[in-house]
Amino acid sequence: DSGVTQTPKHLITATGQRVTLRCSPRSGDLSVYWYQQSLDQGLQFLIQYYNGEERAKGNILERFSAQQFPDLHSELNLSSLELGDSALYFCASSVSPSSYEQYFGPGTRLTVT
Amino acid sequence: AQSVTQLGSHVSVSEGALVLLRCNYSSSVPPYLFWYVQYPNQGLQLLLKYTSAATLVKGINGFEAEFKKSETSFHLAKPSAHMSDAAEYFCAVYSFNKFYFGSGTKLNVKP
Repeated sequence: DSGVTQTPKHLITATGQRVTLRCSPRSGDLSVYWYQQSLDQGLQFLIQYYNGEERAKGNILERFSAQQFPDLHSELNLSSLELGDSALYFCASSVSPSSYEQYFGPGTRLTVT
Repeated sequence: AQSVTQLGSHVSVSEGALVLLRCNYSSSVPPYLFWYVQYPNQGLQLLLKYTSAATLVKGINGFEAEFKKSETSFHLAKPSAHMSDAAEYFCAVYSFNKFYFGSGTKLNVKP
């Protein structure tokens, strides 16, 4: 158990819908990362937050957005969902961006039908 | 952008045999390098990391990796495979505030 929690574990929704994935980092970790893992794209870095502020952006679509709240939990919002958005979404946390050691949550499996 | 190449999407070894998983990266500056392991239906777990200290890095579960700047490689090795090592392994590079992951290598361990 990494100490990073993600909810929900599974999510099934229809095309065009919007969903919110939630992540709680390990106690004491200020930095949160979001990743998408799919069979065709592999593991892609989406976005990173540190202490509430966006720090780095990867291959995140404009239909996706994220934020980190004052209590350090983070949410990833996916809108106008397409079939190709079906994937595992991982959250990871670290003490700070310079610690480089990320701890991954168990993931949320999103299925878009 | 950085790229990480893992040679061999599937590797199969016998129990007790040497495990060698290959990773090459592209980077114009010395990067930070990592190996992660992912067991079925789980998140990734850090095996080891290189952050410009010793070039031979020892990690958990008996794994080690050697950073070779001249070859831009960071191969992962374990002298003797165990059945519990069967999993998917990812090499990753951290550069300019972003992590880049390889496509992964699935390790199968035969009894």
